[in-house]
Amino acid sequence: GENVEQHPSTLSVQEGDSAVIKCTYSDSASNYFPWYKQELGKRPQLIIDIRSNVGEKKDQRIAVTLNKTAKHFSLHITETQPEDSAVYFCAASGGGTSYGKLTFGQGTILTVHP
Amino acid sequence: EAQVTQNPRYLITVTGKKLTVTCSQNMNHEYMSWYRQDPGLGLRQIYYSMNVEVTDKGDVPEGYKVSRKEKRNFPLILESPSPNQTSLYFCASSRGPSYEQYFGPGTRLTVT
Repeated sequence: GENVEQHPSTLSVQEGDSAVIKCTYSDSASNYFPWYKQELGKRPQLIIDIRSNVGEKKDQRIAVTLNKTAKHFSLHITETQPEDSAVYFCAASGGGTSYGKLTFGQGTILTVHP
Repeated sequence: EAQVTQNPRYLITVTGKKLTVTCSQNMNHEYMSWYRQDPGLGLRQIYYSMNVEVTDKGDVPEGYKVSRKEKRNFPLILESPSPNQTSLYFCASSRGPSYEQYFGPGTRLTVT
């Protein structure tokens, strides 16, 4: 089945710096890669996603890149703000015989210091 | 208001006492799933359902059952809970597995 590895597990940056979180996946048939943000005590919420036919997607300060050959994708947050502090999860949606499954990474705790 | 609801939000129970966590969505979504969240392990999928009467195992289905008799409801059943099932549980719904998942508020379960 699919295996998603996420790094780093914790990330600490100064306000205004950039933050990058990386994920690798194992199933080449996976075709949808979302990123979720979970604030303390809250439910996860989608912040950006990318499909396998696209290499990069941007939404204001947030961008995601996908390298299908290397089977990795990354979340980039520019000009970080204290309200970006949260746990971030990547995920991969299975293809082929694994269609229907959604596998998440272990999460990254991002702390943005004012 | 479009939403996913779960009940109860908090539950403390004892080993072996059957329990059900309900999940309901009002967005007419076909896809629903259950996850457990444990520190350092992220969100792990327990079961998912592509549509009514269609359910399948996720990555950690042992000790859990589900049913999907109606489109809006997807209850999670623990027939004989054990302490290793102490966790935070999330239900989610969406148009499909490759679309935005809308999560419920979570159910914190403690099994003693």
